[in-house]
Amino acid sequence: DTGVSQDPRHKITKRGQNVTFRCDPISEHNRLYWYRQTLGQGPEFLTYFQNEAQLEKSRLLSDRFSAERPKGSFSTLEIQRTEQGDSAMYLCASSSRGSGADTQYFGPGTRLTVL
Amino acid sequence: QQQVKQSPQSLIVQKGGISIINCAYENTAFDYFPWYQQFPGKGPALLIAIRPDVSEKKEGRFTISFNKSAKQFSLHIMDSQPGDSATYFCAAQTQGGSEKLVFGKGTKLTVNP
Repeated sequence: DTGVSQDPRHKITKRGQNVTFRCDPISEHNRLYWYRQTLGQGPEFLTYFQNEAQLEKSRLLSDRFSAERPKGSFSTLEIQRTEQGDSAMYLCASSSRGSGADTQYFGPGTRLTVL
Repeated sequence: QQQVKQSPQSLIVQKGGISIINCAYENTAFDYFPWYQQFPGKGPALLIAIRPDVSEKKEGRFTISFNKSAKQFSLHIMDSQPGDSATYFCAAQTQGGSEKLVFGKGTKLTVNP
């Protein structure tokens, strides 16, 4: 257990529905990342927060996706009007800004299945 | 455009053998190269990492070899054990900014007893 938790662990939804995932990072970590991992692939970067500010978004993050990190604590990732292509594992990671490279600690992920 | 290429896709090794996974990158701005290990149903976990000013780093049975001029790096697992069976991802990162990780596609390692 890395200390990063994600909820729910699994989500099955029908095409066109909205879904929301939650990530609770390690408490003292000010950096939070969302990645998406499809079967047989490595995780792909979606977006990055430093404290409450969303500082970078991947072109993979279409306008149906939105992420927030109110008060720089937990984060939510919402997908509106889900499509079958959204089926994937959504991973959250956190790290603490400091000198040098900061290890990103990953949560267990939320597996989304869109029917 | 795949920025980090990883091979092989899958690897089967006998217990006690050496597992070798290779990665190549294109972006010379990358300056930190971690390896992550992922078990089924879990998120990736950092295994070992290296900076390009070092040609080799060893931690226990795990060694990273780095060739800056060739833009290649590899993971060697000595005395492979069945418990090492997992998917391994190489990654690359640029310090400063978001420091997002760019991952390879992964190598599924199976260590037979």
